[in-house]
Amino acid sequence: EAAVTQSPRNKVAVTGGKVTLSCNQTNNHNNMYWYRQDTGHGLRLIHYSYGAGSTEKGDIPDGYKASRPSQENFSLILELATPSQTSVYFCASGDRDWGYEQYFGPGTRLTVL
Amino acid sequence: QQQVRQSPQSLTVWEGETAILNCSYENSAFDYFPWYQQFPGEGPALLIAIRSVSDKKEDGGFTIFFNKREKNLSLHIKDSQPGDSATYFCAASGGGADRLTFGKGTQLIIQP
Repeated sequence: EAAVTQSPRNKVAVTGGKVTLSCNQTNNHNNMYWYRQDTGHGLRLIHYSYGAGSTEKGDIPDGYKASRPSQENFSLILELATPSQTSVYFCASGDRDWGYEQYFGPGTRLTVL
Repeated sequence: QQQVRQSPQSLTVWEGETAILNCSYENSAFDYFPWYQQFPGEGPALLIAIRSVSDKKEDGGFTIFFNKREKNLSLHIKDSQPGDSATYFCAASGGGADRLTFGKGTQLIIQP
């Protein structure tokens, strides 16, 4: 069964530290997405990608970088983590050929102290 | 600017009743509207979706009613069960953009 996996599932980081969140998909989808979910805000798009080597800014890209080294992998990078980046992060994959449907991973809970 | 709005923020209904979740949007270019269901500790999962060429979509006990002129839609959950208790997100896409815009969600509680 096609799947989206994320690692780590939980992460505690210190302010100013570098954090990398990883995502892997076996759906063979072209597009991948990173969202954060906060109470009262729903799901907000941070970065997305149309394929290996491409990254695009979403609605809230400040403080985040993304990397898509292959069709299967998409990383979210926090170069200098801040407490305001404490959140739950979801990765998703999708493809226009699949009707814009997106399939989500289980999420990573990040706490920045 | 919030392009997709959901109401109510929270909804409690009795088991067996029909739960009605509302969604409205601003962008006329939106033409695809999925609803996602999320249980605590899990990622959202696609529940049902509709395209703007249709005014109704049914799948099991879930029905979407879509009003293009009014730019709103609703998700009806018939004969609701405690297992339907979850957060429901309305989303929208269109205009050639390979991305979804999500509403803030409705937390649904089904009381037994």
